[in-house]
Amino acid sequence: QSALTQPPSASGSPGQSVTISCTGTSSDVGGYNFVSWYQQNPGKAPKLMIYEVSKRPAGVPDRFSGSKSGNTASLTVSGLQADDEADYYCSSYAGSNIVFGTGTKVTVL
Amino acid sequence: QVQLVESGGGVVQPGRSLRLSCEASGFSFSNYGMQWVRQAPGKGLEWVAEVWHDGGKKYYADSVKGRFTISRDNLQNTVYLQMNSLTVEDTAVYYCARDDDTTGYFSRVGYWGQGTLVTVSS
Repeated sequence: QSALTQPPSASGSPGQSVTISCTGTSSDVGGYNFVSWYQQNPGKAPKLMIYEVSKRPAGVPDRFSGSKSGNTASLTVSGLQADDEADYYCSSYAGSNIVFGTGTKVTVL
Repeated sequence: QVQLVESGGGVVQPGRSLRLSCEASGFSFSNYGMQWVRQAPGKGLEWVAEVWHDGGKKYYADSVKGRFTISRDNLQNTVYLQMNSLTVEDTAVYYCARDDDTTGYFSRVGYWGQGTLVTVSS
């Protein structure tokens, strides 16, 4: 149950796009279409942003989108806004367990 | 609205036990799987355990298997995490979370509690 690999940080200016990768193996990301993405602000509980690779829960802006190719999933935030600055974690079903990513801190410049 | 309120955290010595509780409200508790997810100070998220809506199936991370037990009481709308043989590596904020997945792959956590801090220290 090794953590999925995410870049430690990503950044962009307001209005730009940022893409975060999440790399696993064929036993997790590559084996199932059950990748989720969570946003976490300091001292707060995570918030679900994307599930089943590319689906958005009600209330999540369509500026957030997800995709997957092989063993790597991606989260793209378009039209960056100041309140998008947060930590982002991917997760994947991995056969009777869930594995999270290492987390990416997104900074809005 | 959906509310998940954890309790039971605190400071405990290595090797001892602790039981966390999470009281749910605002939804039909018996219709949803429930999870515990933890986060060590300054670290990332780590999935701990999942229990199906009826308690019929339970799943655990390798790091806690054999030491932690997840359970639920659908009459009391409460999910528990019994933690035995605690080590310093178990120090974390423990979040109770609702599994919104409908496929059986428990990959979609739609609601989270505010978390309860467990500190394992001598």
